Amino acid sequence: EIVLTQSPGTLSLSPGEGATLSCRASQSVSSSYLAWYQQKPGQAPRLIIYGASSRASGIPDRFSGSGSGTDFTLTISRLEPEDSAVYYCQQYGSSPWTFGLGTKVEIK
Amino acid sequence: QLQLQESGPGLVKPSETLSLTCTVSGGSISRSSYYWGWIRQPPGKGLEWIGSIYYSGNTYYNPSLESRVTISIDTSKNQFSLNLNSVTAADTAVYYCARGGSSYHSPLSLWGQGTLVSVSS
Repeated sequence: EIVLTQSPGTLSLSPGEGATLSCRASQSVSSSYLAWYQQKPGQAPRLIIYGASSRASGIPDRFSGSGSGTDFTLTISRLEPEDSAVYYCQQYGSSPWTFGLGTKVEIK
Repeated sequence: QLQLQESGPGLVKPSETLSLTCTVSGGSISRSSYYWGWIRQPPGKGLEWIGSIYYSGNTYYNPSLESRVTISIDTSKNQFSLNLNSVTAADTAVYYCARGGSSYHSPLSLWGQGTLVSVSS
């Protein structure tokens, strides 16, 4: 099974700043089948990035994804208070699909 | 618009079977070639994929749970279901149903709100 390691565990940033979240896979993720989800307290996860770099419907262009192979990045530019959440990466290229443990983004 | 809603008992006794149903509204399961899945999240922890089912009935399970899991689909009721047998406290979690895409290799693009299932005597 592919293990996804996310870093850092927590990011504490001010509104307007940029955030860089990392997701590293224990083996190559085939065809960049890598997604990012945003989860706010008490809510279900919401898909924000798929295919490593494609934004899901309705996601603002402040969110961008990049990477391939074993190293992937989610970048959030110009942070807004509503971006406060836990962000998970997920690979859906090899069974079993697996998730990282998440990065918590706190807005000061 | 398409919506998913989980339903089922919130409390299950150890060694018994956890049974949940996901009702899809705003669209037909049988008319759309999508994959449908179950994911769980223990309190305060991360996400675990349980398994997926294609609208035609083909199933795919996480090997770590495969011996205890059955996912089925009832297109006449626009529902798909999860059965997890021989549960223990470790199966206590929020259970989500979700829709994938038309390919097995698709992200989970739409989620239900989740339902908390506790395993306790």
